[in-house]
Amino acid sequence: QVQLVESGGGLVKPGGSLRLSCAASGFTFSDYYMSWIRQAPGKGLEWVSYISSSSTYTNYADSVKGRFTISRDNARNSLYLQINSLSAEDTAVYYCARDLRYNYGYDYWGQGTLVTVSS
Amino acid sequence: EIVLTQSPGTLSLSPGERATLSCRASQSVSSTYLAWYQQKSGQAPRLLIYGASSRATGIPDRFSGSGSGTDFTLTISRLEPEDFAVYYCQQHAEAPKTFGQGTKVEI
Repeated sequence: QVQLVESGGGLVKPGGSLRLSCAASGFTFSDYYMSWIRQAPGKGLEWVSYISSSSTYTNYADSVKGRFTISRDNARNSLYLQINSLSAEDTAVYYCARDLRYNYGYDYWGQGTLVTVSS
Repeated sequence: EIVLTQSPGTLSLSPGERATLSCRASQSVSSTYLAWYQQKSGQAPRLLIYGASSRATGIPDRFSGSGSGTDFTLTISRLEPEDFAVYYCQQHAEAPKTFGQGTKVEI
């Protein structure tokens, strides 16, 4: 069965960095675009970034452009999000999600990892 | 950036009733690129509808989507107790792949 498991979240000081990981299993990871979506406490969903199946294409929300970097390792079935220069506004649960292969939407989501930015 | 506006913000209904949720886009979006999700408290979102009207795998047929251009609708024909949740629309037409702010369906 398809599984996405995020890790790497935690408490970090403003200006700090974290690397989030998403371990994928149960499907051919290299066939799918993958994305990160976040949700601040008590707020709605915010799309963060996507990466194409072979890493050729990436895109970012304006709010994170220049500070976040998405990457993947198809040999390790893993997705990553390097997040730098963190501020309180980045406090959120970060979800990785699998893009539908021939349509548009996220059909599988991880359980999320919480990033808290506080001094 | 395409802004998606969902209405109403909160929908108060009873089990067995029909729910109609709206998602309006700030510019025309091909129906191919419009998706709906359900999120229950403390859980990750779940894909309900993609392509504006296609149900995702395992989604009961009481959920249906419709619309085109700038106006899209999610309809739940007869609410079950497990349907009380927050619902989001999202467009995949262009980056940023924006979400609506959500509609809470409550008892």
